[in-house]
Amino acid sequence: LAKTTQPISMDSYEGQEVNITCSHNNIATNDYITWYQQFPSQGPRFIIQGYKTKVTNEVASLFIPADRKSSTLSLPRVSLSDTAVYYCLVGDRGALEAGNMLTFGGGTRLMVKP
Amino acid sequence: GAGVSQSPRYKVTKRGQDVALRCDPISGHVSLYWYRQALGQGPEFLTYFNYEAQQDKSGLPNDRFSAERPEGSISTLTIQRTEQRDSAMYRCASSLFLGEGTGELFFGEGSRLTVL
Repeated sequence: LAKTTQPISMDSYEGQEVNITCSHNNIATNDYITWYQQFPSQGPRFIIQGYKTKVTNEVASLFIPADRKSSTLSLPRVSLSDTAVYYCLVGDRGALEAGNMLTFGGGTRLMVKP
Repeated sequence: GAGVSQSPRYKVTKRGQDVALRCDPISGHVSLYWYRQALGQGPEFLTYFNYEAQQDKSGLPNDRFSAERPEGSISTLTIQRTEQRDSAMYRCASSLFLGEGTGELFFGEGSRLTVL
């Protein structure tokens, strides 16, 4: 199973770009990379998913290098409301077994300061 | 329904009692998942269903924990003979079908269990 490693916490200021990197050295060919966001007292919420290169949506961008051993979630111009825990998950979304596709690690606690 | 609904939102029970937590997934979602989340930690996978079939229960901590989804919709997570270490937030999630599309999970607001 592809294990993920991400920083425990990060601090930023409003208006800055935040990049959170996740390491997944043992990623398999069929694995996708998925990021979730969790606000206090709420359940996790899907942010973005990618396989390679770059994916962008209205919330964030996901950068994945060619070797796919890491990925970077980029949040442009963060605000106080982006303070949350961000989880990186890696797994084969096509597999019917849960495996590590549904495994959340400890996540990265992002604190955005005014 | 519009979202994943869980009940009760809060449950306080005494050690040794049984508790049942209910999850009503988003209409049309085939896959349903149960997680447990301790304060300050990430969600811990417990089990999941496709339709009424329990596909994976490898995350259930011990045989006091069980889950069912008899008609492929509402699910119940039952904890027998509760212990203080069972205190946590229990979260349910659903998705269209694990293995289809992004597999995006939609989480409910959770049931906070406190065992005295």
